[in-house]
This record gives sequence, structure tokens and C-alpha cells, in this order.
Amino acid sequence: AQTVTQSQPEMSVQEAETVTLSCTYDTSESNYYLFWYKQPPSRQMILVIRQEAYKQQNATENRFSVNFQKAAKSFSLKISDSQLGDTAMYFCAFMKAYSGAGSYQLTFGKGTKLSVIP
Amino acid sequence: ETGVTQTPRHLVMGMTNKKSLKCEQHLGHNAMYWYKQSAKKPLELMFVYSLEERVENNSVPSRFSPECPNSSHLFLHLHTLQPEDSALYLCASSQEWLGLYEQYFGPGTRLTVT
Repeated sequence: AQTVTQSQPEMSVQEAETVTLSCTYDTSESNYYLFWYKQPPSRQMILVIRQEAYKQQNATENRFSVNFQKAAKSFSLKISDSQLGDTAMYFCAFMKAYSGAGSYQLTFGKGTKLSVIP
Repeated sequence: ETGVTQTPRHLVMGMTNKKSLKCEQHLGHNAMYWYKQSAKKPLELMFVYSLEERVENNSVPSRFSPECPNSSHLFLHLHTLQPEDSALYLCASSQEWLGLYEQYFGPGTRLTVT
């Protein structure tokens, strides 16, 4: 079974600053996917960024980037130029590679509540 | 309507009631999921449907009964719930195969059991 650990229950950052959210995971799988999801106070879960484990290059989406360390089983999210709209719960999630119908299942961490301060 | 929709958004029910949660996806996906989100706990996967067939049931109590009549609709039938079942219930969908796997979530139904 897979586990995902987010060790920072809450964090805050000044607007326009940079913040890094931590995530570690435990798995015996060699091929998998990692995700960061954002859940604003309105509760619609939104995909922020994804990383395929077989890719060495870290994924980037505009102001969001990850630091993927496969050997260390670490997957941190960096938010640059933080904006008020980034205030949300952030969830790290793990998914095994496809192994049949219904196998794309997400295992989530407990989340990090990020507050962006004006 | 676009994306994944869920109704109702809020539901209060007594322990002896029977109610249903509805999820509809407008993305042409072939897999759908029910998750339970409780305070201070990770999201818990409850049920997985792929091509309208139930693939996974993660030891969910029988008072929760899913139904997937077609690839666009997913229901969660509730009966004789307990107060600890109060939570946010999230529906998600994805397109399996073809190298696509991201799950898209609905806004959730906030359930309160009294």
C-alpha cells in the first residue's frame, strides 16, 4: 500500500513571496504519477501540477513547479510570486501506473493549509 | 454545465432517512469515483467505476450504496447513516487509457447526519 505524508498542516506566505510545500511518499512501485491538487475555500478540487515518475525533469506550470526526488521519495511544490488566490488547501497525491480498469486510484496526503497574506 | 457537477450541495439528514447524492460528468470520461473528505483525515476513496462496472469497494459500510447507470452519472444512495458519516463527499471522473489519467473533481456535497 502507498502512503503520502504532508508534514506541514498550515503555512503562510506574504503576497509576491515564494513558498515551498513538502510531500513525501512511500511505495514499492517503480512507475507512478504524483500530483498536487488545490482546494480553495469554495471546495472545488483543482489539479495544479503532475509529475510522471519516469521523467527526470521537474514539472512546471507557470508559477508552480515541483522538486521531484525519486530516490528520496520526495515531491515538493514551489509557488512563486504568491497571490491571494493561492490561498487554499493543497493536497499531494500518488497514483500507481495503469494496471487495468479502475486502477487509476489516488492516495492523498492530509493536506497543507496555505494562507497568502496581503 | 461543464466539468463535474454534484447535487445537492448541502444535505442534512436524520439517521433513519434515505437520501441519494448525484454526480454528473460532462467530460466524456469513462471512469468515476466517490471520495469521502473528513476533517483532519486524508481523502478516502470509497468506490471506483470503470465503464459502468464497479471495480473497487474499499471496505465501505453497506449503508452506502453506489449506482452507475451510465458513464456520465454516478449516484451514492444513503440509508441509516451514523453521525460519523458527516463529511464532504466528492465525486471525480477520469478518462482511463490513452495516457490520460488526471481526475477531475466536482464541488462536493456537504452531508450532515443528525
